[in-house]
Amino acid sequence: ELKVEQNPLFLSMQEGKNYTIYCNYSTTSDRLYWYRQDPGKSLESLFVLLSNGAVKQEGRLMASLDTKARLSTLHITAAVHDLSATYFCAVDLALTQGGSEKLVFGKGTKLTVNP
Amino acid sequence: ETGVTQTPRHLVMGMTNKKSLKCEQHLGHNAMYWYKQSAKKPLELMFVYSLEERVENNSVPSRFSPECPNSSHLFLHLHTLQPEDSALYLCASSQDLFEKLFFGSGTQLSVL
Repeated sequence: ELKVEQNPLFLSMQEGKNYTIYCNYSTTSDRLYWYRQDPGKSLESLFVLLSNGAVKQEGRLMASLDTKARLSTLHITAAVHDLSATYFCAVDLALTQGGSEKLVFGKGTKLTVNP
Repeated sequence: ETGVTQTPRHLVMGMTNKKSLKCEQHLGHNAMYWYKQSAKKPLELMFVYSLEERVENNSVPSRFSPECPNSSHLFLHLHTLQPEDSALYLCASSQDLFEKLFFGSGTQLSVL
């Protein structure tokens, strides 16, 4: 059974600082997503990582994937208050079990960036 | 166990069939959602219910019909679907509208 663990679950940081959110998963997967959820809003897709060593960056966020370690990271550089949100990783167990697709979410990391 | 249960886990249906997906949450949440995930694409929000009233419908075709009889149950009624509707359908709930989401395991739907 695929398990996805994020840590930390809660993160409070100062503006201007750097930090990394980790997403570990328990079985082979060929696709990993990062989502952002702002308070009072639905999920917003941030990144889709498709292969080992994939790195994607947008603004102050950079996501990477190491399929051998079954680990993805979301790195925050020089945080600003607007980044305060809950960040979810989700792992796609696709095409490995009878052709069906299963998306498993981590519990989310609630990030608060303080001025 | 996330507290959100979806049935069935897998469903294969013809284009003329009528079927329903069921979602039940045991978390005492007030809001429930249907999401669609097509192959290799991120999630798409379909419907949102808060306190059993629909609050959002993101331009979903009428062949998908949601029903929320109470705050613990959410259905997605399907009729005359198209093959392109084949996808993973995820249910989620949150304590209140658009707070942190808790997801079910999804129903993998194949339309033949």
